[in-house]
Amino acid sequence: AQSVTQLDSHVSVSEGTPVLLRCNYSSSYSPSLFWYVQHPNKGLQLLLKYTSAATLVKGINGFEAEFKKSETSFHLTKPSAHMSDAAEYFCVVRSNYQLIWGAGTKLIIKP
Amino acid sequence: NAGVTQTPKFRILKIGQSMTLQCAQDMNHNYMYWYRQDPGMGLKLIYYSVGAGITDKGEVPNGYNVSRSTTEDFPLRLELAAPSQTSVYFCASSYEVGLAGGRGTDTQYFGPGTRLTVL
Repeated sequence: AQSVTQLDSHVSVSEGTPVLLRCNYSSSYSPSLFWYVQHPNKGLQLLLKYTSAATLVKGINGFEAEFKKSETSFHLTKPSAHMSDAAEYFCVVRSNYQLIWGAGTKLIIKP
Repeated sequence: NAGVTQTPKFRILKIGQSMTLQCAQDMNHNYMYWYRQDPGMGLKLIYYSVGAGITDKGEVPNGYNVSRSTTEDFPLRLELAAPSQTSVYFCASSYEVGLAGGRGTDTQYFGPGTRLTVL
């Protein structure tokens, strides 16, 4: 069975510093992996997705994620945090046509 | 395109009442999904549909029913509302080619959500 674990429930960084949100997955075959973002009281927006092409995936708003098969990880990064990045981030693995969601990481940006 | 639309945005129900959450998409997607999101949690799949007339249970289907009479619409029915159904409900859709024919867009598009409270 496929699963996904987000290693931090909350991450707090200062504005202008790098962001790292960690995600490990479990899959019996080459997975499709996604990062979604949910701003307060808003819907879900796709940040980026990995579907067995390049292992470094670039997304919207300066975010990127690297697929590492040896580490079964798909960590999300951004070089410089902005106040508007404050939101909840979900790592997701695809299992057939269903999405298996992590519990989410709340990103807090300090001024 | 409006994308995926959901109505209502908010609703408060009393225990035992019933209601239907509406979901529509105008992207001609064949697959549609209903999820619920409880506080501090990721999304859990309730039901999904691979096309008109075909539905299947997800991870947490108890207390819910769905129908898919058209490609565009996928309503979710709560028959006897319970406090445990207090949640935010998201509808989503995607285009899937099928296992034999390769993959589709691989991306689900979400509606804005319905916040339901059962008291």
